[in-house]
Amino acid sequence: QVQLVQSGSELKKPGASVKVSCKASGYTFTSYAMNWVRQAPGQGLEWMGWINTNTGNPTYAQGFTGRFVFSLDTSVSTAYLQISSLKAEDTAVYYCARDAGATGYWGQGTLVTVSS
Amino acid sequence: AIWMTQSPSLLSASTGDRVTISCRMSQGISSYLAWYQQKPGKAPELLIYAASTLQSGVPSRFSGSGSGTDFTLTISCLQSEDFATYYCQQYYSFPFTFGPGTKVDIK
Repeated sequence: QVQLVQSGSELKKPGASVKVSCKASGYTFTSYAMNWVRQAPGQGLEWMGWINTNTGNPTYAQGFTGRFVFSLDTSVSTAYLQISSLKAEDTAVYYCARDAGATGYWGQGTLVTVSS
Repeated sequence: AIWMTQSPSLLSASTGDRVTISCRMSQGISSYLAWYQQKPGKAPELLIYAASTLQSGVPSRFSGSGSGTDFTLTISCLQSEDFATYYCQQYYSFPFTFGPGTKVDIK
Protein backbone atom coordinates (compact mmCIF):
# COMPACT_ATOMS: atom_id res chain seq x y z
CA GLN A 1 0.00 0.00 0.00
CA VAL A 2 1.09 3.57 -0.62
CA GLN A 3 2.82 5.15 2.35
CA LEU A 4 4.54 8.45 2.90
CA VAL A 5 6.58 8.51 6.10
CA GLN A 6 8.02 11.81 7.23
CA SER A 7 10.88 12.53 9.57
CA GLY A 8 10.27 13.49 13.17
CA SER A 9 9.63 16.80 14.88
CA GLU A 10 12.35 19.41 14.88
CA LEU A 11 13.16 22.23 17.29
CA LYS A 12 15.40 24.86 15.76
CA LYS A 13 16.72 28.28 16.66
CA PRO A 14 16.05 31.30 14.47
CA GLY A 15 18.56 31.48 11.65
CA ALA A 16 19.19 27.75 11.55
CA SER A 17 18.22 25.34 8.77
CA VAL A 18 16.08 22.24 8.76
CA LYS A 19 15.62 19.39 6.30
CA VAL A 20 12.41 17.39 6.38
CA SER A 21 12.26 14.03 4.64
CA CYS A 22 9.35 12.16 3.11
CA LYS A 23 10.03 8.51 2.29
CA ALA A 24 7.63 6.92 -0.17
CA SER A 25 6.80 3.26 -0.54
CA GLY A 26 4.24 1.09 -2.24
CA TYR A 27 4.45 2.68 -5.66
CA THR A 28 6.93 3.84 -8.30
CA PHE A 29 8.32 7.02 -6.79
CA THR A 30 9.11 8.74 -10.07
CA SER A 31 5.62 8.25 -11.47
CA TYR A 32 3.89 10.80 -9.26
CA ALA A 33 4.63 14.38 -8.29
CA MET A 34 5.19 15.32 -4.66
CA ASN A 35 3.57 18.35 -3.08
CA TRP A 36 4.49 20.18 0.09
CA VAL A 37 1.83 21.80 2.27
CA ARG A 38 2.28 23.97 5.35
CA GLN A 39 -0.09 24.37 8.27
CA ALA A 40 0.76 26.93 10.90
CA PRO A 41 -0.66 26.34 14.40
CA GLY A 42 -4.42 26.75 14.40
CA GLN A 43 -4.40 27.85 10.76
CA GLY A 44 -5.45 26.44 7.41
CA LEU A 45 -3.55 24.63 4.71
CA GLU A 46 -1.07 26.42 2.44
CA TRP A 47 0.15 24.80 -0.76
CA MET A 48 3.89 25.46 -0.89
CA GLY A 49 4.58 23.90 -4.27
CA TRP A 50 5.54 20.62 -5.82
CA ILE A 51 8.41 18.75 -7.38
CA ASN A 52 8.35 16.67 -10.52
CA THR A 53 9.85 13.41 -9.28
CA ASN A 54 10.76 12.37 -12.80
CA THR A 55 12.75 15.46 -13.76
CA GLY A 56 13.51 16.93 -10.34
CA ASN A 57 12.04 20.26 -11.43
CA PRO A 58 10.44 22.15 -8.52
CA THR A 59 7.64 24.71 -8.62
CA TYR A 60 7.29 27.08 -5.67
CA ALA A 61 4.23 29.05 -4.66
CA GLN A 62 4.63 32.74 -3.96
CA GLY A 63 5.94 33.18 -0.47
CA PHE A 64 7.97 30.00 -0.63
CA THR A 65 10.80 31.10 -2.86
CA GLY A 66 14.37 31.70 -1.77
CA ARG A 67 14.57 29.98 1.63
CA PHE A 68 12.62 26.87 0.67
CA VAL A 69 14.12 24.10 -1.45
CA PHE A 70 12.50 20.89 -2.66
CA SER A 71 14.82 18.04 -3.59
CA LEU A 72 14.82 14.32 -4.21
CA ASP A 73 16.87 11.20 -3.73
CA THR A 74 15.22 8.81 -6.14
CA SER A 75 17.57 5.98 -5.12
CA VAL A 76 15.77 5.83 -1.77
CA SER A 77 12.35 7.12 -2.95
CA THR A 78 12.60 10.16 -0.71
CA ALA A 79 11.61 13.78 -1.14
CA TYR A 80 13.07 16.56 0.96
CA LEU A 81 12.05 20.02 2.06
CA GLN A 82 14.87 22.24 3.27
CA ILE A 83 14.19 25.57 4.92
CA SER A 84 17.07 27.93 5.62
CA SER A 85 17.34 31.07 7.76
CA LEU A 86 14.45 29.87 9.88
CA LYS A 87 12.09 32.42 11.40
CA ALA A 88 9.55 32.09 14.18
CA GLU A 89 6.79 32.31 11.61
CA ASP A 90 8.07 29.12 9.95
CA THR A 91 6.75 27.22 12.96
CA ALA A 92 4.24 24.83 11.42
CA VAL A 93 3.43 21.29 10.47
CA TYR A 94 4.80 20.47 7.05
CA TYR A 95 3.14 17.74 4.99
CA CYS A 96 4.26 15.95 1.87
CA ALA A 97 1.42 14.75 -0.35
CA ARG A 98 1.55 12.69 -3.49
CA ASP A 99 0.04 13.61 -6.87
CA ALA A 100 -0.31 16.80 -8.86
CA GLY A 101 -3.78 18.06 -8.15
CA ALA A 102 -6.11 16.25 -5.80
CA THR A 103 -3.81 14.54 -3.33
CA GLY A 104 -5.02 11.24 -1.97
CA TYR A 105 -1.87 10.27 -0.11
CA TRP A 106 -0.34 12.37 2.64
CA GLY A 107 2.53 11.99 5.02
CA GLN A 108 1.80 12.17 8.73
CA GLY A 109 3.27 15.66 8.97
CA THR A 110 6.44 17.02 10.54
CA LEU A 111 6.24 19.72 13.20
CA VAL A 112 9.00 22.28 12.87
CA THR A 113 9.25 24.62 15.83
CA VAL A 114 11.44 27.70 15.60
CA SER A 115 12.20 29.23 18.96
CA SER A 116 15.14 30.80 20.72
CA ALA B 1 -3.43 33.39 -8.28
CA ILE B 2 -6.96 32.11 -7.84
CA TRP B 3 -8.62 33.19 -4.60
CA MET B 4 -11.21 31.12 -2.83
CA THR B 5 -13.80 31.73 -0.20
CA GLN B 6 -15.59 29.12 1.84
CA SER B 7 -18.83 29.57 3.70
CA PRO B 8 -19.67 29.29 6.41
CA SER B 9 -16.40 29.38 8.32
CA LEU B 10 -18.08 27.67 11.26
CA LEU B 11 -21.07 25.39 11.08
CA SER B 12 -22.76 24.06 14.20
CA ALA B 13 -24.84 20.99 13.51
CA SER B 14 -26.29 17.89 15.08
CA THR B 15 -25.87 14.24 14.21
CA GLY B 16 -28.30 13.37 11.44
CA ASP B 17 -28.37 16.87 9.96
CA ARG B 18 -27.85 17.58 6.28
CA VAL B 19 -25.04 20.10 5.94
CA THR B 20 -23.79 22.09 2.99
CA ILE B 21 -20.49 23.90 2.59
CA SER B 22 -19.82 26.31 -0.25
CA CYS B 23 -16.60 27.16 -2.02
CA ARG B 24 -16.39 30.06 -4.45
CA MET B 25 -13.50 30.83 -6.83
CA SER B 26 -12.29 34.20 -8.06
CA GLN B 27 -12.24 32.75 -11.59
CA GLY B 28 -13.52 29.65 -13.35
CA ILE B 29 -11.70 26.39 -12.73
CA SER B 30 -13.88 23.97 -14.68
CA SER B 31 -14.17 20.96 -12.34
CA TYR B 32 -10.63 20.99 -10.97
CA LEU B 33 -11.73 21.05 -7.35
CA ALA B 34 -11.09 18.73 -4.43
CA TRP B 35 -12.57 18.53 -0.94
CA TYR B 36 -10.62 17.38 2.12
CA GLN B 37 -11.53 16.53 5.68
CA GLN B 38 -9.07 17.19 8.47
CA LYS B 39 -9.33 16.16 12.10
CA PRO B 40 -7.16 17.67 14.84
CA GLY B 41 -3.58 16.41 14.77
CA LYS B 42 -4.13 14.43 11.57
CA ALA B 43 -3.26 14.88 7.92
CA PRO B 44 -6.06 15.92 5.58
CA GLU B 45 -7.99 13.16 3.83
CA LEU B 46 -9.27 13.45 0.29
CA LEU B 47 -13.04 13.13 0.08
CA ILE B 48 -13.92 14.29 -3.43
CA TYR B 49 -11.98 15.18 -6.56
CA ALA B 50 -13.00 16.54 -9.93
CA ALA B 51 -15.72 18.44 -8.05
CA SER B 52 -18.04 15.45 -7.71
CA THR B 53 -16.10 12.16 -7.81
CA LEU B 54 -16.07 10.33 -4.51
CA GLN B 55 -12.63 9.10 -3.45
CA SER B 56 -12.49 5.35 -2.95
CA GLY B 57 -13.53 4.35 0.56
CA VAL B 58 -15.34 7.59 1.35
CA PRO B 59 -18.92 7.10 2.60
CA SER B 60 -21.67 7.89 0.13
CA ARG B 61 -23.22 10.45 2.48
CA PHE B 62 -20.56 12.83 1.13
CA SER B 63 -21.23 14.40 -2.24
CA GLY B 64 -19.86 17.27 -4.26
CA SER B 65 -21.32 19.42 -7.00
CA GLY B 66 -20.59 22.48 -9.06
CA SER B 67 -18.33 23.70 -11.82
CA GLY B 68 -16.79 26.95 -12.92
CA THR B 69 -16.72 29.19 -9.86
CA ASP B 70 -19.26 27.75 -7.42
CA PHE B 71 -18.97 24.43 -5.66
CA THR B 72 -20.73 22.63 -2.83
CA LEU B 73 -19.88 19.82 -0.46
CA THR B 74 -22.91 18.12 1.08
CA ILE B 75 -23.03 15.66 3.94
CA SER B 76 -26.46 14.08 3.74
CA CYS B 77 -26.71 12.70 7.27
CA LEU B 78 -24.02 13.96 9.61
CA GLN B 79 -22.32 11.29 11.70
CA SER B 80 -20.26 11.79 14.85
CA GLU B 81 -17.05 11.07 12.96
CA ASP B 82 -17.79 13.89 10.51
CA PHE B 83 -17.13 16.66 13.02
CA ALA B 84 -13.96 18.09 11.52
CA THR B 85 -12.64 20.91 9.35
CA TYR B 86 -13.27 20.80 5.61
CA TYR B 87 -11.14 22.44 2.93
CA CYS B 88 -11.64 22.91 -0.76
CA GLN B 89 -8.64 23.09 -3.10
CA GLN B 90 -8.41 24.15 -6.71
CA TYR B 91 -5.91 22.42 -8.94
CA TYR B 92 -6.74 24.22 -12.16
CA SER B 93 -3.72 26.49 -12.08
CA PHE B 94 -0.64 27.15 -9.96
CA PRO B 95 -0.59 27.77 -7.08
CA PHE B 96 -3.00 25.02 -6.08
CA THR B 97 -4.69 27.10 -3.42
CA PHE B 98 -6.77 25.83 -0.52
CA GLY B 99 -9.86 27.51 0.80
CA PRO B 100 -9.76 28.93 4.34
CA GLY B 101 -11.69 25.99 5.76
CA THR B 102 -15.05 25.28 7.36
CA LYS B 103 -15.17 23.85 10.85
CA VAL B 104 -18.14 21.62 11.53
CA ASP B 105 -18.77 21.29 15.22
CA ILE B 106 -21.43 19.92 17.51
CA LYS B 107 -24.42 22.14 18.14
